[in-house]
Amino acid sequence: DAKTTQPPSMDCAEGRAANLPCNHSTISGNEYVYWYRQIHSQGPQYIIHGLKNNETNEMASLIITEDRKSSTLILPHATLRDTAVYYCIVRAQTGANNLFFGTGTRLTVIP
Amino acid sequence: NAGVMQNPRHLVRRRGQEARLRCSPMKGHSHVYWYRQLPEEGLKFMVYLQKENIIDESGMPKERFSAEFPKEGPSILRIQQVVRGDSAAYFCASSPPSQRSNYGYTFGSGTRLTVV
Repeated sequence: DAKTTQPPSMDCAEGRAANLPCNHSTISGNEYVYWYRQIHSQGPQYIIHGLKNNETNEMASLIITEDRKSSTLILPHATLRDTAVYYCIVRAQTGANNLFFGTGTRLTVIP
Repeated sequence: NAGVMQNPRHLVRRRGQEARLRCSPMKGHSHVYWYRQLPEEGLKFMVYLQKENIIDESGMPKERFSAEFPKEGPSILRIQQVVRGDSAAYFCASSPPSQRSNYGYTFGSGTRLTVV
């Protein structure tokens, strides 16, 4: 699996959009971009994933650049409960199945 | 539909004892993954199992650690002769048989092992 690069920490004001960047310049054509988050002391929680097109669900939006070398996770209206470590992972859906968790971005939502 | 169930939530063992961590995957999931998270660190992959088979154990320490996923019952991560460095949170995840899962993995709440 390709490695990813994320900023170690970010702050966001409550109610504002949180934009979390991720670089994955060595991503392969068959690898998807997955985002998970881990709220303190809990198991990781799946957020969203995509291949080429932008994706949106009830939790977040995922914007993937045209060259697929980077992406941005957007939490449109951050709440205090969104404070967590956010992990960007690239992974093929076939073949090796384990997820490689890097160090992630620690997002702190400020009241 | 219960999620991934791990037990116990907290486990305290003295040095030299054995630790057994259990993971029941979500209904319909036949793939199980174990991860370890040391304090203030990220999750590290340990092992990937399907029913009765170990598929990838590249992240397992060579000694004292073993994992199984029997035909019936939960997956077990077993740590023999525990040492203080084994103190960590151990997370289990499961996924359905299809490798084209649309939702990635579902993680349990973890077992926090403390070795005293």
